[in-house]
Amino acid sequence: DIVMTQGALPNPVPSGESVSITCRSSKSLLYSDGKTYLNWYLQRPGQSPQLLIYWMSTRASGVSDRFSGSGSGTDFTLKISGVEAEDVGVYYCQQGLEFPFTFGSGTKLEIK
Amino acid sequence: QVQLKETGPGLVQPTQTLSITCTVSGFSLTSYYMQWVRQTPGKGLEWMGFIRSGGSTEYNSEFKSRLSISRDTSKNQVFLKMNSLKTEDTGVYYCARAYWFDYWGQGVMVTVSS
Repeated sequence: DIVMTQGALPNPVPSGESVSITCRSSKSLLYSDGKTYLNWYLQRPGQSPQLLIYWMSTRASGVSDRFSGSGSGTDFTLKISGVEAEDVGVYYCQQGLEFPFTFGSGTKLEIK
Repeated sequence: QVQLKETGPGLVQPTQTLSITCTVSGFSLTSYYMQWVRQTPGKGLEWMGFIRSGGSTEYNSEFKSRLSISRDTSKNQVFLKMNSLKTEDTGVYYCARAYWFDYWGQGVMVTVSS
């Protein structure tokens, strides 16, 4: 199985600051169609996960442009430009290249 | 608008079978994959499997021997059935739409205990 490893944040983060959340996969997620099958989700407290980014860098419908995704085949970053109170929660990366799809263990964001 | 809602038992006894229904609205099951994901204290988010828009299925081998996913397109419902439950299967079970999980249900909490 592909292992997804996420980094931690130096919580709490001051409101308005920009943060980068890292994720690493044990295998390249770049497919022959040119797409990188890496998704990002936010799970706010008490809620279901919601899709933020798919194909490594494509924002999902309705997602703020403060969120951006980037990376290579195995190293990925979710950047939040100017964190706000509503960004609090746990962020997960997930690979959609191979079965079984796998998720990272999550990165918690707290705001000061 | 797109909506997904899981319904199921809150409590299941060990060795018994879990049955959860995901009822959807705002889109057609014949146009989208439907995924099942669970969240447990021990393993976090785990992909369980999906049913394709055409009706074929794919399962996580972790569950393959005891998991079944099916659907009734006329009722806009997708079903998860998992047998031989253990206490470690306690968690929240979600259905989600599409290959990239663009919409999720609210989840249903399942406790496996005698």
